[in-house]
Amino acid sequence: AQSVTQLDSQVPVFEEAPVELRCNYSSSVSVYLFWYVQYPNQGLQLLLKYLSGSTLVKGINGFEAEFNKSQTSFHLRKPSVHISDTAEYFCAVTVNQAGTALIFGKGTTLSVSS
Amino acid sequence: DSGVTQTPKHLITATGQRVTLRCSPRSGDLSVYWYQQSLDQGLQFLIQYYNGEERAKGNILERFSAQQFPDLHSELNLSSLELGDSALYFCASSAAGWGNEQYFGPGTRLTVT
Repeated sequence: AQSVTQLDSQVPVFEEAPVELRCNYSSSVSVYLFWYVQYPNQGLQLLLKYLSGSTLVKGINGFEAEFNKSQTSFHLRKPSVHISDTAEYFCAVTVNQAGTALIFGKGTTLSVSS
Repeated sequence: DSGVTQTPKHLITATGQRVTLRCSPRSGDLSVYWYQQSLDQGLQFLIQYYNGEERAKGNILERFSAQQFPDLHSELNLSSLELGDSALYFCASSAAGWGNEQYFGPGTRLTVT
């Protein structure tokens, strides 16, 4: 079975500072990895995904993530955050098979203040 | 806008009642997934349908059931509701094939009183 651990439940940062949201996963088989963002009172929106190939993945809104197989990590980064990045961020994993469900981490609340 | 629609947006009902949540997937997507989001359990996968057939089951209670219709919309039925069933219920859809990118609807917030 797969599992996802998001190491920080809350991350407060100041505007224009860099941020890293940490995610570790556990799986005995190959996985696909995802980061989703949830703004208040909204559904989840895909930020980026890793399927294969380059371990550095670029997503929307200036976010990127790096897949590290040896450390089973998929940390999300942004060099300079904005107030509008305040949201809940979810790391998710699914097995390397079409049509299977996502297993989510507990989420990290990113709070950006001025 | 993800292209996935869910109705209703909010639902308030009493314990012991039964409700039906509806989801219309993105045009062309054959897979529909249901997830439950609660404060204590986080986001949990409930059930998946693919082109009308049940494909996978997660942590879905026996009091809950779902189906996918020929037009590909899906309904999640929750019965004998308990206070603990209060949560956000999300539907997601994906195309068949490689990549598993799922598009989420805005959710239905269920409050059981």
